[in-house]
Amino acid sequence: TQLLEQSPQFLSIQEGENLTVYCNSSSVFSSLQWYRQEPGEGPVLLVTVVTGGEVKKLKRLTFQFGDARKDSSLHITAAQPGDTGLYLCAGGKPNAGGTSYGKLTFGQGTILTVHP
Amino acid sequence: NAGVTQTPKFRILKIGQSMTLQCTQDMNHNYMYWYRQDPGMGLKLIYYSVGAGITDKGEVPNGYNVSRSTTEDFPLRLELAAPSQTSVYFCASSYLLRGGFLMTNYGYTFGSGTRLTVV
Repeated sequence: TQLLEQSPQFLSIQEGENLTVYCNSSSVFSSLQWYRQEPGEGPVLLVTVVTGGEVKKLKRLTFQFGDARKDSSLHITAAQPGDTGLYLCAGGKPNAGGTSYGKLTFGQGTILTVHP
Repeated sequence: NAGVTQTPKFRILKIGQSMTLQCTQDMNHNYMYWYRQDPGMGLKLIYYSVGAGITDKGEVPNGYNVSRSTTEDFPLRLELAAPSQTSVYFCASSYLLRGGFLMTNYGYTFGSGTRLTVV
């Protein structure tokens, strides 16, 4: 069983601060995705990274996939109250032999609260 | 474009009752999934389907059943509800990049969830 460890589990910061959320595993993933979830809603995809060492930016959010494709990080610059939510990382298994069928392994999530 | 639609939004069941959670997608995705989300536990895969007529068990299938008669619909059936099935259930669909050695999941579209309480 592939596991994804997310840290920290909780993060409470003031508006304007920077933060980083980490997602680590001992397993290799073919892709790594980040989702954001608000109360009462389903997770919404933020980004997918598929190449080791890849860095993607989405406005104030920067996502990085580790060189060995076992870890990822999400960095938010100048956090705003609108960034508040549950952040989930999810890894896709390599599809050797065609058996992964797009199944994802999810981390436990990071609850981010940004105070005005 | 509705995406993935789940019904009902909320439901309370008594122990031993049965129910079906509905899921429909209009994106013509072949791959569909059911996950349950419990506090601090992330999402756990219950069942998945790679196309009409093809389903398979995920990580936590006990107490659940699924069917996939069409590309659009993927209902989840709970038989003999138990308190351990109290959870939030999410349906999702996805597309995969085909061809070559690696098939990569480029991301799920989730429904808005069903909050189920078994008492």
